[in-house]
Amino acid sequence: GAVVSQHPSWVICKSGTSVKIECRSLDFQATTMFWYRQFPKQSLMLMATSNEGSKATYEQGVEKDKFLINHASLTLSTLTVTSAHPEDSSFYICSASREGGNEQYFGPGTRLTVT
Amino acid sequence: GQSLEQPSEVTAVEGAIVQINCTYQTSGFYGLSWYQQHDGGAPTFLSYNALDGLEETGRFSSFLSRSDSYGYLLLQELQMKDSASYFCAVMDSSYKLIFGSGTRLLVRP
Repeated sequence: GAVVSQHPSWVICKSGTSVKIECRSLDFQATTMFWYRQFPKQSLMLMATSNEGSKATYEQGVEKDKFLINHASLTLSTLTVTSAHPEDSSFYICSASREGGNEQYFGPGTRLTVT
Repeated sequence: GQSLEQPSEVTAVEGAIVQINCTYQTSGFYGLSWYQQHDGGAPTFLSYNALDGLEETGRFSSFLSRSDSYGYLLLQELQMKDSASYFCAVMDSSYKLIFGSGTRLLVRP
């Protein structure tokens, strides 16, 4: 068990449009989900932490109005990149953890390209 | 601030042993994890050390010394498929993972 999926796996959008990325825990309830961004040949940078039913906690420097995170259920969190720009092109990865657990289970990632 | 340091690149030959070191400085510490990431893929979990000592899982072992804020990943009997990036990550006091910059391992025949 502990499978996390992401949809879509890749997306190309035009500058100025919004893109929604879904993260689902398939076989467990994820009380906490994390969203990361990774630029080519760089490390994973945590963007925000979301707990089911409450507002996400954003890391310093991450614009909460640009990266909207919703964690509406124990199995689904969404990240919406609003008014996307080419510099938002990146690999977005989510992870999920169980209540009381400290291991994070990573999704396969979503590659976003903004043209 | 929070920082994790690991070598940027390591090259080794097939069948050899390689050690990837990680030193960390973080606010709070619950444990040190190691992840493998192939190009274009997502990180996959390799190991987690919460206590001092060596943890062995097949060809991979991970070591932690909390007093030295230091750990390493040991890969034995290297195979070509082990060529990937390896990240150490500290779980801090708020259960967030802070990742190191990653070590690209190139295994040569």
